[in-house]
Amino acid sequence: EPEVTQTPSHQVTQMGQEVILRCVPISNHLYFYWYRQILGQKVEFLVSFYNNEISEKSEIFDDQFSVERPDGSNFTLKIRSTKLEDSAMYFCASSEPGQGTGELFFGEGSRLTVL
Amino acid sequence: AQRVTQPEKLLSVFKGAPVELKCNYSYSGSPELFWYVQYSRQRLQLLLRHISRESIKGFTADLNKGETSFHLKKPFAQEEDSAMYYCALRGGAQKLVFGQGTRLTINP
Repeated sequence: EPEVTQTPSHQVTQMGQEVILRCVPISNHLYFYWYRQILGQKVEFLVSFYNNEISEKSEIFDDQFSVERPDGSNFTLKIRSTKLEDSAMYFCASSEPGQGTGELFFGEGSRLTVL
Repeated sequence: AQRVTQPEKLLSVFKGAPVELKCNYSYSGSPELFWYVQYSRQRLQLLLRHISRESIKGFTADLNKGETSFHLKKPFAQEEDSAMYYCALRGGAQKLVFGQGTRLTINP
């Protein structure tokens, strides 16, 4: 069964460093998402991406964040200059084109620790 | 604004007892509601969606538009039901908005 895959599973970085989290969505999906979950808090929407552009973003997704689909398979989240409060689990998800079933398929997450 | 509220962070019941995980939502239009589950060390996965009106692993959920609720129920809990459960809403856009989550523990 196809799955969303994410790398790395865990990254530790120093405050102020750039981080890139990578995701390979399910191959026939056209909608891509990043969510994050700070320890003990809810899963929060960051950004959705469709047709090579951002379709929606939350207040969290400020100028420090960017997303890219550099090739036909990868979907990346970049944090330009990490802050302590960026420490969280970051989940990538994808969904089918059109209305589909509405189901989002999630990756296992990338845990980011900012020191 | 779209909001999902799960009032219980933790819920503990005995095996064989009924389970109800509460979910209330706020959305002015016609929402799509979902329940996602995350078992220990596994990814978030869809449990059920209101439009399919199906029972998955013995769980059901009915959308009550009058009470703006989408509670998840199971008549007889099993130990393997222990997990984190998230209620989620889709409004007009593609994204899902999640509730806080409820950690369900089934005691033997």
